[in-house]
Formats: sequence, structure tokens, C-alpha cells
Amino acid sequence: GENVEQHPSTLSVQEGDSAVIKCTYSDSASNYFPWYKQELGKRPQLIIDIRSNVGEKKDQRIAVTLNKTAKHFSLHITETQPEDSAVYFCAANSGYALNFGKGTSLLVTP
Amino acid sequence: DSGVTQTPKHLITATGQRVTLRCSPRSGDLSVYWYQQSLDQGLQFLIQYYNGEERAKGNILERFSAQQFPDLHSELNLSSLELGDSALYFCASSVETGNNEQFFGPGTRLTVL
Repeated sequence: GENVEQHPSTLSVQEGDSAVIKCTYSDSASNYFPWYKQELGKRPQLIIDIRSNVGEKKDQRIAVTLNKTAKHFSLHITETQPEDSAVYFCAANSGYALNFGKGTSLLVTP
Repeated sequence: DSGVTQTPKHLITATGQRVTLRCSPRSGDLSVYWYQQSLDQGLQFLIQYYNGEERAKGNILERFSAQQFPDLHSELNLSSLELGDSALYFCASSVETGNNEQFFGPGTRLTVL
């Protein structure tokens, strides 16, 4: 089935710096790529998603880029804040399902 | 609040037992997904239902089964429980399937002793 690889597994940045998380997928038919944020003890929540007909999407401090040829997509968070600290999951659809990466634990230190 | 509800919030049981987890999707959502999240693991997709029918199967053990009822709520049944089944089980729902935002419930934390 679909395999989604996510790197890095942990990321520590200083407040105000940028953070980048990268994912690769294997199913060439994938056309939907969401990113979820999960705070400790809480449910995953969608923060941004991108479809295969666009290469980049931005929402305030968050942006996602997609390279369909290389089968990879990335999450960019600029001007990070302590409240951005959480686990971030990328995902790619495969058929009717979403397959998730193993997550990146982001720590933003003041 | 995503609009997806799950019960119970916590469940503690013994090895060999059987439990049922319940999920009610957001109003209007036809798809329900089940995920398992263990310590240091990501979200493992288990199974998906759409309007009462099974649509996709992931890494779901044969000891586990699920169904979606006519009112669209879903139940995940876990039997012959093992210590390794201890995890957080999430349900999510979406309007349709595959390429739509999934809204997650608060999860059920299962502890098998």
C-alpha cells in the first residue's frame, strides 16, 4: 500500500525561526496532501492541505509545497511561536484512505 | 470541538477480553475512519466505512472488526485483547472519501492490563 515517509522525527527551533518538515509518498495516484497538528493529549487537527493541481499554498505563517514529479511535499512554518510546539503529521490519500507519516515533534523554545 | 464524538473516553480491561468503541460522525458526514495511535507511532489507518459499507482496509488485525450503522454511527470491536493493543483509538469523519478533510474525534484511550 501507500507509504508516506516523514522527516525529521524531531525538530527544535528558536522562537522566530522557520521550521520545515518534509514528506515523500509512493502512490503516484495520490492527489490530496493534508497536514495535521496534534497537541499533547488532543486530537489531530487539520492546519493546511494541498491538492495536486497546485504547487504551493499559503495560510498566514504556514505554507505547503508539492512536487508531484519527485513525489514529495513540505510544510513550512515561519516566525515560529511557542504555541506551534506540537506533533505534525503529513498524509497522502491512496484510494479511499489517508496514509499518515510517523510525525514530527516540533519544539519551539522562547 | 470537531463535531465527532467518541465513547468511552477511557477504557481499562484485561487481556483476552473484548471491547467496543463507539463513534458518531459530524452531521452530514458519510465517511467514518478508524485509526490506532500507539506510543511513538503515527496514526495507523485501520478501516473506513462510507454510508454503511466498508470502503478501505488498512493494517487492521483479524481480531478487530468494525461496522457502520444506518444512522451512520460506527463501532470498532476489539477482541482477544493483548497488551500491545493498548493505544489511543481515533475515529474521524468526512463528507466523502479519500480527498476530503477528515475531522477527528477526541479518541478513546484503551489500556489492556
